[in-house]
Amino acid sequence: QQQVKQSPQSLIVQKGGISIINCAYENTAFDYFPWYQQFPGKGPALLIAIRPDVSEKKEGRFTISFNKSAKQFSLHIMDSQPGDSATYFCAARAGANNLFFGTGTRLTVIP
Amino acid sequence: KAGVTQTPRYLIKTRGQQVTLSCSPISGHRSVSWYQQTPGQGLQFLFEYFSETQRNKGNFPGRFSGRQFSNSRSEMNVSTLELGDSALYLCASSLVQQGGNTIYFGEGSWLTVV
Repeated sequence: QQQVKQSPQSLIVQKGGISIINCAYENTAFDYFPWYQQFPGKGPALLIAIRPDVSEKKEGRFTISFNKSAKQFSLHIMDSQPGDSATYFCAARAGANNLFFGTGTRLTVIP
Repeated sequence: KAGVTQTPRYLIKTRGQQVTLSCSPISGHRSVSWYQQTPGQGLQFLFEYFSETQRNKGNFPGRFSGRQFSNSRSEMNVSTLELGDSALYLCASSLVQQGGNTIYFGEGSWLTVV
């Protein structure tokens, strides 16, 4: 049973465009929602994270939107660049350091 | 500040053998967790250690085990290797056990079972 559902599986965006990745969850005990970026051959790198008492968090070109009532959260990448081409994972944590990951979105930014 | 360090980075083992992977957390981090990443199953939680005690365990068979030392360094062991154990094994560390902390991942150990 997938605790965190992520879509789309893959995404192609033109340079300068907006990339949007969506995630949904069911477990209301989740208290921390990070997004990780992973390049081939590398470990996941923390991109940005949000807690359920905040509806939006922005760091540079990356924004998390969080809808607690709908149990959904999304990552927006503004002004997408070819260097952003990577796999993105949303995740959710229930108390302890046990992260439940989405299935990943492979983003390709076309120059 | 050094990140999470995992060794070895790459290894090839034969089915039936056992393997030990090592992880050095970020200095000062006392919580270490392990994850398995495969194309088919994605990223899955194995277990978490804090102050040398296993606090959480994922849904993996008993062939997967781990431990944490007094300096917070951790090892995981997989016995009687199966072909399906081929994966990227990731170690993550964080400052405190739960709440208000950020989880950082290492580069991983690539295990191939032949």
